[in-house]
Amino acid sequence: GAVVSQHPSRVICKSGTSVKIECRSLDFQATTMFWYRQFPKQSLMLMATSNEGSKATYEQGVEKDKFLINHASLTLSTLTVTSAHPEDSSFYICSAQQFISAPNEKLFFGSGTQLSVL
Amino acid sequence: EDKVVQSPLSLVVHEGDTVTLNCSYEVTNFRSLLWYKQEKKAPTFLFMLTSSGIEKKSGRLSSILDKKELFSILNITATQTGDSAVYLCAVGIGGATNKLIFGTGTLLAVQP
Repeated sequence: GAVVSQHPSRVICKSGTSVKIECRSLDFQATTMFWYRQFPKQSLMLMATSNEGSKATYEQGVEKDKFLINHASLTLSTLTVTSAHPEDSSFYICSAQQFISAPNEKLFFGSGTQLSVL
Repeated sequence: EDKVVQSPLSLVVHEGDTVTLNCSYEVTNFRSLLWYKQEKKAPTFLFMLTSSGIEKKSGRLSSILDKKELFSILNITATQTGDSAVYLCAVGIGGATNKLIFGTGTLLAVQP
């Protein structure tokens, strides 16, 4: 299957700093990438949909100024957690939609980033 | 509001047992239902179901969808300790993008 690479896998930062997470589709073009957040023992909550070359679409309750998403190319989307606080500590995971003529629900997931804000 | 509900939330069984995991949904524009297995990090794809009554099978795992009653089940026979994981059900929503709504997940623990 297609490969999605997510970096870093783990980051520890001080409160008030910004953290950037990268999501890359390695062997396919991804017109759309999705960013999820997962708290311990809970399910994946969709944060935003990232479309190449346009603004991201955020889910209700997700602060777009807090979680900046950039999808500058067909293989790269980034999520920046700005002025991180301890409550932002979570597992963040991206997934990518393979660019084919017919929509493909078999999204491919990155390995996730565990963010810990001290 | 679109929602996906899984049951049970957690389950403990012994090796060799058969388990059935449930997923019900209420969404406005159903496209597909997917099952994922999540062990430590990224969910891994198991099945995608789009039609009612057609069983998908992969080894000891099988799944079926009922679009009339709005639910799906995931069966695992002859469970092994390696089956221990969180099993996630997700529903694909219609539209230009493949938005997935995830259920709460079922934590399965298989004891030796």
